[in-house]
Amino acid sequence: GAGVSQSPRYKVAKRGQDVALRCDPISGHVSLFWYQQALGQGPEFLTYFQNEAQLDKSGLPSDRFFAERPEGSVSTLKIQRTQQEDSAVYLCASSPVVDTQYFGPGTRLTVL
Amino acid sequence: RKEVEQDPGPFNVPEGATVAFNCTYSNSASQSFFWYRQDCRKEPKLLMSVYSSGNEDGRFTAQLNRASQYISLLIRDSKLSDSATYLCVVNKNSGYSTLTFGKGTMLLVSP
Repeated sequence: GAGVSQSPRYKVAKRGQDVALRCDPISGHVSLFWYQQALGQGPEFLTYFQNEAQLDKSGLPSDRFFAERPEGSVSTLKIQRTQQEDSAVYLCASSPVVDTQYFGPGTRLTVL
Repeated sequence: RKEVEQDPGPFNVPEGATVAFNCTYSNSASQSFFWYRQDCRKEPKLLMSVYSSGNEDGRFTAQLNRASQYISLLIRDSKLSDSATYLCVVNKNSGYSTLTFGKGTMLLVSP
């Protein structure tokens, strides 16, 4: 079956631009997570949704980062006024139950 | 102190070797533990869960020591295809999984 998909796979933005990253979770998965992975680091938790409810956004690094999942399926991570330090791979994961997370291929964001 | 600490490596081993990775975590309330594998420019994939009783999956053995807050992964009879970064992962929440990842340990298996 289809796994988690993310688009775009690569995004180059000029500093100050807004970007939107999309995640399509596995159909029927209730839980959805966003992670940020900087070069040479492990993924770091950004935010968690259960259906359409954003239950944890403690990992979002600033108020420039915003995530939504309005219908409990597709999610969008938006970064406003991008900065160079935002350059990273943004990973989305979905889960049917606690603990088992399936990751998408990620979006590699480069801010110039 | 980082929540999950690993030796970044790289570990360079010949095919057929046995290699062990270690990991320590700081939050004693952590609930569950995993090893993920990440190939270069790919997403992390679950390798195995880690239990206090220890668990084995083919050539891979994982151990958890809650008292020492220490997790290990042993790979026997290394294959070229085992070359990857191995991420130690801890879940500290009981209600849902906000996974905390270590930086990863890079393994390079050579012919």
